Amino acid sequence: KNEVEQSPQNLTAQEGEFITINCSYSVGISALHWLQQHPGGGIVSLFMLSSGKKKHGRLIATINIQEKHSSLHITASHPRDSAVYICAVNGGATNKLIFGTGTLLAVQP
Amino acid sequence: DAGVIQSPRHEVTEMGQEVTLRCKPISGHDYLFWYRQTMMRGLELLIYFNNNVPIDDSGMPEDRFSAKMPNASFSTLKIQPSEPRDSAVYFCASSLNNYGYTFGSGTRLTVV
Repeated sequence: KNEVEQSPQNLTAQEGEFITINCSYSVGISALHWLQQHPGGGIVSLFMLSSGKKKHGRLIATINIQEKHSSLHITASHPRDSAVYICAVNGGATNKLIFGTGTLLAVQP
Repeated sequence: DAGVIQSPRHEVTEMGQEVTLRCKPISGHDYLFWYRQTMMRGLELLIYFNNNVPIDDSGMPEDRFSAKMPNASFSTLKIQPSEPRDSAVYFCASSLNNYGYTFGSGTRLTVV
């Protein structure tokens, strides 16, 4: 079992829909990260969280430390949001980044 | 700052050849990480440095892989000899105090 699990693996949405991507982890963590990767592109850090909630534009990230769960929400989704969204945690004995397998999001116009 | 700079962006090489990937971290960052991304395994940490010193190289797959950081502004990842299964995208990232990460654009390596 992976230490960081994401769901869903693939997600197709219509433009304007509200999107939620989930991340669960099984190790103790010091921080959780949401990353975005466009096809063939580099990796961009969207959020780093250790508690509570953060918002940036149409993106919202929340974390529940007790439940070991985080969600990434996208409001009013747009085709340019189409990308792979990766959850990663600084966790385990060495505190290095442990990655989820990613969620492939496609937003159709 | 121009961000984390990796070169080359693309590399195609023949099996058995030596490959060197390069990374320039963000000035002032004290952590540098090398990651490999494949379809099968996703993102994996290969090695990371703190203040130019290798801290954890447990992710380096084999002795064919080596990494150096001769100074705070430059790191290399070398594969010798290269094999087709080394084909992947290799990312470098840097961080200040291991708090937040900035990734480079990656090097897409194809070994034929």
